[in-house]
Formats: sequence, C-alpha cells, structure tokens
Amino acid sequence: DVKVTQSSRYLVKRTGEKVFLECVQDMDHENMFWYRQDPGLGLRLIYFSYDVKMKEKGDIPEGYSVSREKKERFSLILESASTNQTSMYLCASSRMTVFGTGELFFGEGSRLTVL
Amino acid sequence: AQKVTQAQTEISVVEKEDVTLDCVYETRDTTYYLFWYKQPPSGELVFLIRRNSFDEQNEISGRYSWNFQKSTSSFNFTITASQVVDSAVYFCALSATDRGSTLGRLYFGRGTQLTVWP
Repeated sequence: DVKVTQSSRYLVKRTGEKVFLECVQDMDHENMFWYRQDPGLGLRLIYFSYDVKMKEKGDIPEGYSVSREKKERFSLILESASTNQTSMYLCASSRMTVFGTGELFFGEGSRLTVL
Repeated sequence: AQKVTQAQTEISVVEKEDVTLDCVYETRDTTYYLFWYKQPPSGELVFLIRRNSFDEQNEISGRYSWNFQKSTSSFNFTITASQVVDSAVYFCALSATDRGSTLGRLYFGRGTQLTVWP
C-alpha cells in the first residue's frame, strides 16, 4: 500500500520556536510538495522539490524553508514560528510525467497551533 | 498562468438527489492533466480521477461521472443519487508544466463543500 507519512498529526508550539515537519514517502516519487490548508483559502503551495537537494518556491514561501537530503524525505522548517502559521500542513508526493506532475498522494496532515 | 476556479463554495442537497460540481480551468499549455480530489471530514485528501488534455471522453465510475470539455475549459463532476457519505470538500486541480519550465506542479481550486442531508 502506497504511503505518505507525516511525522506528527498535532503539534503545539510557542511563538519564536523552530518547528520541523517531516514527511516520508515510500513510492520512489521524484516530486514532493508542502501545502498549507486554511478555511476559505483552499490549498496553497509553500515549496516543492523535484529531485534530491532541489527545491522550488511555491505561492507562499515566506517564513518557511525546506530540506530534501534523501529522495524519500522532505522536511518543512519554520525558523521562527508565528501565530499566523497556525494551520493544517499537508505533504504530498507524485511522479513526473510528460503532462506535468501525476496525481498527488497526500499524507494525513499535520495540524500546527502556534501560541 | 494556470488557474482553477470552483465557483460553488457550498452546495447542500438531500440524499438521492443528483449534484454537479463545476470546475473551470485556465492554461496556455496544450499538455496537461486535470484531477478531482475528495476531502472527507477525516481530513485526508483522496484522489478520484485524472484526465489528460488529449482525452475528452467522459468517464463514469459507479455513481460518479466526469464531463471534460476543452471548448469551455471545464471539467465538471456529477454525483448521481447522492448519499450522506458523499459529504466532503471536493477539489479540482490542474497539472501543467508552466511555460519555460519542465517542472510540474498542481494548481488547486478553492474547493466545494458538499453536504448531503438524510
């Protein structure tokens, strides 16, 4: 069974803390993505990666960084968490095709609350 | 630029009614994919269908059907004889390579909340 696993379902952090969200996929996919989901705003792309050590900014990269040292793992880092980063974070992976990215497989999400 | 519009923010129906969720997309690419995802109350996004830009044939899977029309840039989703378990947020998405780039990413609409009442 294909799987995208996010390390934490729920996290509570304080303003200014450094936060790591980890994501692992077992499908040998080239692409990995981090989205955040907020009510009324849908899914917004933060960063994505199409290869090891490669990363591309999405639509809302400010305040975030990412790391992809191994093909199966894609980490999202909040260097100094702020209350406006309270959100649901979704990791996904996909295979690259001639039509662009194939379907995304999503993890269960990580709900982050910053106090 | 790539864009997906789901104009219906919320839809409510009574069980056994048919319901159509609209999706309109914009792209200048000639090769692309269109997708539908379901997000039930549990939160995990579930892939429903993928369609490539060269295949306009409509698809039916049980109570679900999809109508892809390039002439109107639409990829609508119909649920026949809706059930309470269909209650979820449904997202339409577009995958294109972006002009000048070989990188692909998915562009999501804002989603349609479907509520099916017993």
